[in-house]
Amino acid sequence: EVQLLESGGGLIQPGGSLRLSCAASGFTFKKYAMSWVRQAPGKGLEWVSGISGSGGGTDYADSVKGRFIISRDNSNNTLYLQMKSLRADDTAVYYCAKSPAYNYYYFMDVWGKGTTVGVSS
Amino acid sequence: AMQLTQSPSSLSASVGDRVTISCRASQGISSALAWYQQKPGKAPKLLIYDASSLESGVPSRFSGSGSGTDFTLTISSLQPEDFATYYCQQFKNYPPLTFGGGTKVEIK
Repeated sequence: EVQLLESGGGLIQPGGSLRLSCAASGFTFKKYAMSWVRQAPGKGLEWVSGISGSGGGTDYADSVKGRFIISRDNSNNTLYLQMKSLRADDTAVYYCAKSPAYNYYYFMDVWGKGTTVGVSS
Repeated sequence: AMQLTQSPSSLSASVGDRVTISCRASQGISSALAWYQQKPGKAPKLLIYDASSLESGVPSRFSGSGSGTDFTLTISSLQPEDFATYYCQQFKNYPPLTFGGGTKVEIK
């Protein structure tokens, strides 16, 4: 069964850092681009960042550029999102999602259940 | 960045009704559009990709149409399990990938 399982969320003070992880199983992880998508409480979906299958290509939403870093470990089938200088408006459920292609994000055909990040003093 | 405008933002419908949801792009995106369903507390689920291709396992009562700037998601006969929020997403011009604001389908 194709599965994505996020972890690493929690409550953090403004200005703090957090690293999210997403463990993939049931498919050949290195063959697919991956994305992080977030959803603030009561709000819609926002794409945060994406990475190619090799990890050589990365992209970010303007709202997180310079503060978040996406990476992947293809030997351990794990996707990461390193978040720093966190702000209250980063509070959201963060989803890990799989693209159907290697180098392009396209749409997301598999989603994890999400991990919750709360930024508050 | 590309903008996607969904309408209506919410609607009330009865079981068995035909429901249509619109998504309009601020620029032409060919057929690079997907639709997702999200239930409360759950992750989004892919329904339609490439504007009109049905994802495997999705009931045939769901269909998508359109190209360029105007797209539609249709549920031919609304079922109890279809009450949810629906989002469109474009993948023609990125980064960033962008989503519409969502349409909440509620029980009348």
